[in-house]
Amino acid sequence: EAQVTQNPRYLITVTGKKLTVTCSQNMNHEYMSWYRQDPGLGLRQIYYSMNVEVTDKGDVPEGYKVSRKEKRNFPLILESPSPNQTSLYFCASRPLTGGLETQYFGPGTRLLVL
Amino acid sequence: AQTVTQSQPEMSVQEAETVTLSCTYDTSESDYYLFWYKQPPSRQMILVIRQEAYKQQNATENRFSVNFQKAAKSFSLKISDSQLGDAAMYFCAYRSPTSYSGGGADGLTFGKGTHLIIQP
Repeated sequence: EAQVTQNPRYLITVTGKKLTVTCSQNMNHEYMSWYRQDPGLGLRQIYYSMNVEVTDKGDVPEGYKVSRKEKRNFPLILESPSPNQTSLYFCASRPLTGGLETQYFGPGTRLLVL
Repeated sequence: AQTVTQSQPEMSVQEAETVTLSCTYDTSESDYYLFWYKQPPSRQMILVIRQEAYKQQNATENRFSVNFQKAAKSFSLKISDSQLGDAAMYFCAYRSPTSYSGGGADGLTFGKGTHLIIQP
C-alpha cells in the first residue's frame, strides 16, 4: 500500500529538549516536504526536498532542520524546541514531475512543547 | 508570493442539500494547479478534487465539483447531496508549475480552511 508514515504520532516534550520526527514513504517519490498546521492559519510549508541531499527552506523554516540522506526518509529535527512550535506536523511526498500528481500526506504528528 | 483566501471560516448545510465553499487566490502566473483537500476529525489530509489552470472545463468527482473562474481567480467547491461524512475542514490549495531548476518552494500554499457542518 502506498503510504507516508510518521513517528511518533503524538509527542509531549519540554523546552530545549532535542527531538526528531521521522517520515518515510514507500513510493520512490523524489519530492518530500514538511508542513505545520496551526488553528486559523491552515498549513504552512517548513522545508522541502527535491531529491537526496537536496533540501531548501519553505515559508516557516526557523527553528527546524531536515536531512535527506535516503530517498525514502525525510526527518524533521527540532534542535531546541520552544512552545511556539506546538503544532500539528505533516510530512508529504509526490513525484518531482509535479503537475496534478497527488501529494500524499502522512497521518500527522501532534507536538506539544511545554 | 501566492496567497489563497477562504472567506468562510465556517459553513453549515442540511443533509442532502448543496453547499458551495469559496476560494480565491492571488497569482501572477498563467499556469498553475488548484486543489481542494478535506480534513476530517482524524486529521488525515484527503485530496477531494484538482484542477489545472489552463483547462477550461471544471473538474468533477462524483458529488464534488468546482467552479473555476480564471479571470476572477476563483476556485469554489460545490458539494451536492451533502452527507454526514462530508463534515470536515476543507482547504483550498495552490501550487506553481514544477520548476526543474529548483527555483521556488514548489510547495502547496493553503488557505486557512472552512469548517463544514452537516445538519442531520
